[in-house]
Amino acid sequence: QQQVKQSPQSLIVQKGGISIINCAYENTAFDYFPWYQQFPGKGPALLIAIRPDVSEKKEGRFTISFNKSAKQFSLHIMDSQPGDSATYFCAAKTAEYGNKLVFGAGTILRVKS
Amino acid sequence: KAGVTQTPRYLIKTRGQQVTLSCSPISGHRSVSWYQQTPGQGLQFLFEYFSETQRNKGNFPGRFSGRQFSNSRSEMNVSTLELGDSALYLCASSPLGAGELFFGEGSRLTVL
Repeated sequence: QQQVKQSPQSLIVQKGGISIINCAYENTAFDYFPWYQQFPGKGPALLIAIRPDVSEKKEGRFTISFNKSAKQFSLHIMDSQPGDSATYFCAAKTAEYGNKLVFGAGTILRVKS
Repeated sequence: KAGVTQTPRYLIKTRGQQVTLSCSPISGHRSVSWYQQTPGQGLQFLFEYFSETQRNKGNFPGRFSGRQFSNSRSEMNVSTLELGDSALYLCASSPLGAGELFFGEGSRLTVL
């Protein structure tokens, strides 16, 4: 119940294309869903986050779509660039457990120029 | 504003030894969490400290421990190191009890 399932494991997208990464969860108590970007040798960096009272949130080229009834959320990267090549993690947490994030397994994104 | 600072960045230990890792959170942040990242298990929560009290603990053996000081700086300790403890240990700080988390660059531990 504490799992967050992320797909695909890896993704190759052409420059200018749309990258889509999906996550699914079971625990309906989750109330905060962030996405992190991690480059090799670096720590995860917060990209964008959403709470379940909103179905979509957009920040620049990054959009989270949230489907509460399906218990799914996804990250869309518009106009993907080679500099977006990184590993992306979805995560979730509940207020009950403070800052305990449950992470997905990660998606390795490669944007081909 | 300086980010989360972790020291040391890299270290090599042998089985049976112990290690202490340090984390300085972003100024003003009172919550510090620790995560272990490995290729096989991914990112796993170790524990969280808030105002010097352990608030949550993950499913790790008692060899993993931590503490937080009055200035919010935190340390984690792993005793009797095993080969499987080789990992990137990440510290994250948050300004509130349950808010956004900002990660440091991690301490990469290799156990030989």
